[in-house]
Amino acid sequence: ELKVEQNPLFLSMQEGKNYTIYCNYSTTSDRLYWYRQDPGKSLESLFVLLSNGAVKQEGRLMASLDTKARLSTLHITAAVHDLSATYFCAVDSWGKLQFGAGTQVVVTP
Amino acid sequence: NAGVTQTPKFRILKIGQSMTLQCTQDMNHNYMYWYRQDPGMGLKLIYYSVGAGITDKGEVPNGYNVSRSTTEDFPLRLELAAPSQTSVYFCASSYGGGTYNEQFFGPGTRLTVL
Repeated sequence: ELKVEQNPLFLSMQEGKNYTIYCNYSTTSDRLYWYRQDPGKSLESLFVLLSNGAVKQEGRLMASLDTKARLSTLHITAAVHDLSATYFCAVDSWGKLQFGAGTQVVVTP
Repeated sequence: NAGVTQTPKFRILKIGQSMTLQCTQDMNHNYMYWYRQDPGMGLKLIYYSVGAGITDKGEVPNGYNVSRSTTEDFPLRLELAAPSQTSVYFCASSYGGGTYNEQFFGPGTRLTVL
């Protein structure tokens, strides 16, 4: 059974500083997705990582995938308030996604 | 493109009542999914479909039923609602198969069972 673990589950960020969210998974997969969810809203796709060594960047967010280590990271550079949300990683297993529990991010001045 | 749409947005049910959550996508996606999200938790897969006429159980299917008669629609049926089914329900769709399976989510239905 595929297990997906995110850490930390809660992250209090100071504006302007850098942080990393980790996503570990238990079985082989080379397809991983990152989503963002604002309170009371649906999930918005951030990144699609489809191979070992894949790196994607959008604004202050950068995601990477190491399939050998079964690890993906979401790096936040110079956090700003607009990045406050819950971030989910999801690992593709035979066409179905297994989601992590999510990391709730709060950015304060 | 409207993407994935869900109705209703909110619903309150009494214990034992039944209802159908509607989901429609206009992206011609083959795969469709139903998830539930409990407060402060991740998403759990209820049922999924890889095409019209084909459905399969996910992680938490008990108390739910689905059907898929068209590519566009994937309704979720709750029979004999129970308080444990209080949750937010998300429908999603994707092209499916192959190497690219990015899922696109609907706005969700917030269901309370009292």
